Amino acid sequence: GDSVTQTEGQVALSEEDFLTIHCNYSASGYPALFWYVQYPGEGPQFLFRASRDKEKGSSRGFEATYDKGTTSFHLRKASVQESDSAVYYCALGASNMGYKLTFGTGTSLLVDP
Amino acid sequence: DPKIIQKPKYLVAVTGSEKILICEQYLGHNAMYWYRQSAKKPLEFMFSYSYQKLMDNQTASSRFQPQSSKKNHLDLQITALKPDDSATYFCASSQEGTTNSDYTFGSGTRLLVI
Repeated sequence: GDSVTQTEGQVALSEEDFLTIHCNYSASGYPALFWYVQYPGEGPQFLFRASRDKEKGSSRGFEATYDKGTTSFHLRKASVQESDSAVYYCALGASNMGYKLTFGTGTSLLVDP
Repeated sequence: DPKIIQKPKYLVAVTGSEKILICEQYLGHNAMYWYRQSAKKPLEFMFSYSYQKLMDNQTASSRFQPQSSKKNHLDLQITALKPDDSATYFCASSQEGTTNSDYTFGSGTRLLVI
């Protein structure tokens, strides 16, 4: 079945460091890809999405580019802040999956001031 | 003001009992969902509804029953509760029931079954 793999379970950085969180997917067809962020005690919040090859999604300084060749949608940010500390989820939605989003296992980002 | 209201925020239940988790959305969305989050499975899809009709059910157990009395309501009834049901249950909604729609999640109901 369709799936999303996030290789980093936890990432620890200092402020102004460069962030990369890896996301790879496995799906038939042409899925839509998403990034969500979850803060403690809250539900996940939509960051951005991309729906076609080479499309870049971005929001709040975060960005990711849909790469069908490498089946990836890696999240990047040039300079992280303490307020970026949260759990980040990559997700996949495919038309043959009906209405659901399939989420990765999440990456916990901790940014030290 | 919260756009998706989930009640209660916290819930403690006894094994074997029955509980109903409430979800109301005020976004005018046509599709609603339930997801479950636990240490074992971070964000697990349960159900999707579009225009009050069940579109997808990924929950193996019939103990979990969604109930949609109004377009902007999707409650979750859980019967014969087990300790393994302990998790945070998130309700979500989207404008359309397609995977290109942005989902908005509620803040969750944290269920503990003892």
